[in-house]
Amino acid sequence: AQKITQTQPGMFVQEKEAVTLDCTYDTSDPSYGLFWYKQPSSGEMIFLIYQGSYDQQNATEGRYSLNFQKARKSANLVISASQLGDSAMYFCAMILNKFYFGSGTKLNVKP
Amino acid sequence: GAVVSQHPSWVICKSGTSVKIECRSLDFQATTMFWYRQFPKQSLMLMATSNEGSKATYEQGVEKDKFLINHASLTLSTLTVTSAHPEDSSFYICSAWIPGTGKTKNIQYFGAGTRLSVL
Repeated sequence: AQKITQTQPGMFVQEKEAVTLDCTYDTSDPSYGLFWYKQPSSGEMIFLIYQGSYDQQNATEGRYSLNFQKARKSANLVISASQLGDSAMYFCAMILNKFYFGSGTKLNVKP
Repeated sequence: GAVVSQHPSWVICKSGTSVKIECRSLDFQATTMFWYRQFPKQSLMLMATSNEGSKATYEQGVEKDKFLINHASLTLSTLTVTSAHPEDSSFYICSAWIPGTGKTKNIQYFGAGTRLSVL
């Protein structure tokens, strides 16, 4: 069964605008962690942001914020003020007994 | 953040040869490392979980004798693709996990990946 779902295979955003990348998850375990990673064309996976299931506040890291809605089981990534360098694949992931990755969203930032 | 070094970054080999990929945690001790495989334009597929001092746990469908994993120390895990064939050509990524609590914990740090091309 799919545990992490990213429904947007690709997205376009204008430079300097904000963009939201969707992620929903499925688990009955009360303890889990949610991650977002960025994978540029070079292939390396870059850690962006982490949200624990018990964290009361939404995680923020610079221009990245995680919109954590526990009841809806969603963990959307919001990138504010998009930059050309943000163009990449973005993966949502969840840690339970092991890591589960979504299928990814390819973000293209237009000048 | 923590640094994971993966080497080599790109390897081309002939069919039938074996290839070893190294994954090192440079500034922390990693009791658990993971090995992933990624096909073009697809997500990461977990191959195995590597625990220091014990046998690796392989995911269903991954051949243990084909993909040998050794985690001999707290900072090094190796993946050996034995008798590589063209269908083994892929992007292989390792990661190290720091479990626990706190802002810097519970994060999986990735190596830069290894592109394997088998001729």
